[in-house]
Amino acid sequence: KQEVTQIPAALSVPEGENLVLNCSFTDSAIYNLQWFRQDPGKGLTSLLLIQSSQREQTSGRLNASLDKSSGRSTLYIAASQPGDSATYLCAVRNPSTGANSKLTFGKGITLSVRP
Amino acid sequence: NAGVMQNPRHLVRRRGQEARLRCSPMKGHSHVYWYRQLPEEGLKFMVYLQKENIIDESGMPKERFSAEFPKEGPSILRIQQVVRGDSAAYFCASSPLRDSKGKETQYFGPGTRLLVL
Repeated sequence: KQEVTQIPAALSVPEGENLVLNCSFTDSAIYNLQWFRQDPGKGLTSLLLIQSSQREQTSGRLNASLDKSSGRSTLYIAASQPGDSATYLCAVRNPSTGANSKLTFGKGITLSVRP
Repeated sequence: NAGVMQNPRHLVRRRGQEARLRCSPMKGHSHVYWYRQLPEEGLKFMVYLQKENIIDESGMPKERFSAEFPKEGPSILRIQQVVRGDSAAYFCASSPLRDSKGKETQYFGPGTRLLVL
C-alpha cells in the first residue's frame, strides 16, 4: 500500500528565502508525482507534474525533482514571497490501475512566508 | 472553458439526513474522482467513475455512501444518514482520457464543505 509522507507539517520562513519542501513515498513503482497548492477554504491547484521517467520539472520560481529509487521528491521555491503562503500537497499515482488511476496524497506542508 | 464545478460549496445537515454533493467535470472530461479531506488529514481517494461506470470504489465506506456519474448530468456523491464523522471537505476532480500534454492531470473543483450537526 502506497504511503506518502510530508515533513514537517508546517514551515515559517522570512520573505526572500529559498526553501525546499520534502515528500517521500513508500512504493517507488509510481506512474507520476504531482505537487499541488491549496489555499485555505479553496480547491487544489496543480503546480508541477513529474512523470516517472523524468528527474525534474520547472515552472517559474518552482522546481520539483524526483528520485524514484529512493522514494523522494522535493519542491524548491526560490525567493519566497508572502503570496506563496499556502498548503503544499504531494501526490503520487501508481501504475497498477492505469494512467487515469487515483492519487495518493500526503498530508501537506503549510507554508507561511513572513513579510 | 469553465473549470470543475461543485455545488453546493457549503452544506449543513443534521444527523440522520441525506447529503447530495454534485460535481460537473470540465468540458470534454469523461473521468471523475471523488476525494475526502477530513480535518487535519490529507485527501483520501474515495471513488473513480467514468460515464455510467464505477471504475474503482476501493476508498468508499462500505455503508451509506454511493456515487454515480450518469450519461447526462453531473456526478453525484450521496451520503445517507449522515453522522458527525462525515463532516469534511469533499473534492471532485476530473481528467480527460489523456490531456493535450499527455500528462493525465487531474483538475480539482473548489470542494463542498459538509458540516453535520
